[in-house]
Amino acid sequence: KAGVTQTPRYLIKTRGQQVTLSCSPISGHRSVSWYQQTPGQGLQFLFEYFSETQRNKGNFPGRFSGRQFSNSRSEMNVSTLELGDSALYLCASSATFWVYGYTFGSGTRLTVV
Amino acid sequence: KQEVTQIPAALSVPEGENLVLNCSFTDSAIYNLQWFRQDPGKGLTSLLLIQSSQREQTSGRLNASLDKSSGRSTLYIAASQPGDSATYLCAVNNNDMRFGAGTRLTVKP
Repeated sequence: KAGVTQTPRYLIKTRGQQVTLSCSPISGHRSVSWYQQTPGQGLQFLFEYFSETQRNKGNFPGRFSGRQFSNSRSEMNVSTLELGDSALYLCASSATFWVYGYTFGSGTRLTVV
Repeated sequence: KQEVTQIPAALSVPEGENLVLNCSFTDSAIYNLQWFRQDPGKGLTSLLLIQSSQREQTSGRLNASLDKSSGRSTLYIAASQPGDSATYLCAVNNNDMRFGAGTRLTVKP
């Protein structure tokens, strides 16, 4: 059974550009969550999608957005990149989170220069 | 707002020691609590999941306990090995998953 797949693994972007990250959940999982991890702030919740609907959202500016497709794959977009957006972006999927918890992907390392 | 705290922030032990990592949370209305391991630059690997109705879970040398009423969980690692060196993260799930800052464990050969 394939795990959670995140692409790309590494990304270097210039300040002011935009970026799109992709996450393919475990087959059958309908919930996808996104997290930002930085040395200073630790793991911070961005948003969660369930069956194409945003179920929950963390405290990030509107430059951070996401969506989920009918096949449960999810994308996260960051517009007008800032140096502080450099981080490891992690995606997690779940069948029913209140029972089975979450499974994480390997992450996308974004560097903004 | 759920706050999750992990103590200690870092721990260094010689190989073979038994050790305990601590996690505390402020809102006891949780669905479950999950312990993860993270190696440098990698994603999170789930170690143990404890439902709110459970008191403990075991997997191999790992045992996690949950005291929901006091807002505490512990992760016990028996007979530690150098391969256990990693950052251990506690996460509680009530409406979204909130993480502690982690405990960085080093097991010296």
